[in-house]
Amino acid sequence: KNEVEQSPQNLTAQEGEFITINCSYSVGISALHWLQQHPGGGIVSLFMLSSGKKKHGRLIATINIQEKHSSLHITASHPRDSAVYICAVYGAGSYQLTFGKGTKLSVIP
Amino acid sequence: GAGVSQSPRYKVAKRGQDVALRCDPISGHVSLFWYQQALGQGPEFLTYFQNEAQLDKSGLPSDRFFAERPEGSVSTLKIQRTQQEDSAVYLCASSLGGMGFGAFFGQGTRLTVV
Repeated sequence: KNEVEQSPQNLTAQEGEFITINCSYSVGISALHWLQQHPGGGIVSLFMLSSGKKKHGRLIATINIQEKHSSLHITASHPRDSAVYICAVYGAGSYQLTFGKGTKLSVIP
Repeated sequence: GAGVSQSPRYKVAKRGQDVALRCDPISGHVSLFWYQQALGQGPEFLTYFQNEAQLDKSGLPSDRFFAERPEGSVSTLKIQRTQQEDSAVYLCASSLGGMGFGAFFGQGTRLTVV
């Protein structure tokens, strides 16, 4: 079974700061999701990627398949970015997602 | 609908009571997944449907858990004789296919067993 580790577990940032959340996994994958979960809310998929880099607004996701590592970056962070960010991976040839425990981000005005 | 819809959003059940949780996937999505998320943890896989066929139920924690998707669209997760350890958020996700297709998640149902 793939082990998905995220760091940090908790992150507090000042508004405007550049934020990085890391995800590493133990076994080769076919794709990786970065997900956002607000308190009491459902999960929203931010990115799905299998190589390289994707950008959407202030969010950037990168993945290094050889190193089994992905990062989520948030530029010019804002209090509305406060949420739990979850990394989830599809194992190679698998439809199942294996999730990390999430990183709780709090952005202070 | 526009997204994956789950109902109810919140459910409080007395221990021993049976509950049914509903998931309406995005129209046309072939794959449907149920996940269980305990407090402070990442979601854990419960079961997977492709159309009406339940292809994987390896994550269901006990025989008190049962899921169905009889017409290949709406799915119901049923928990019989609920226990306190069943308290969690139950998430439903759907996708166009299996591997490699992005998953769309519902808001979840928060089940509290008292």
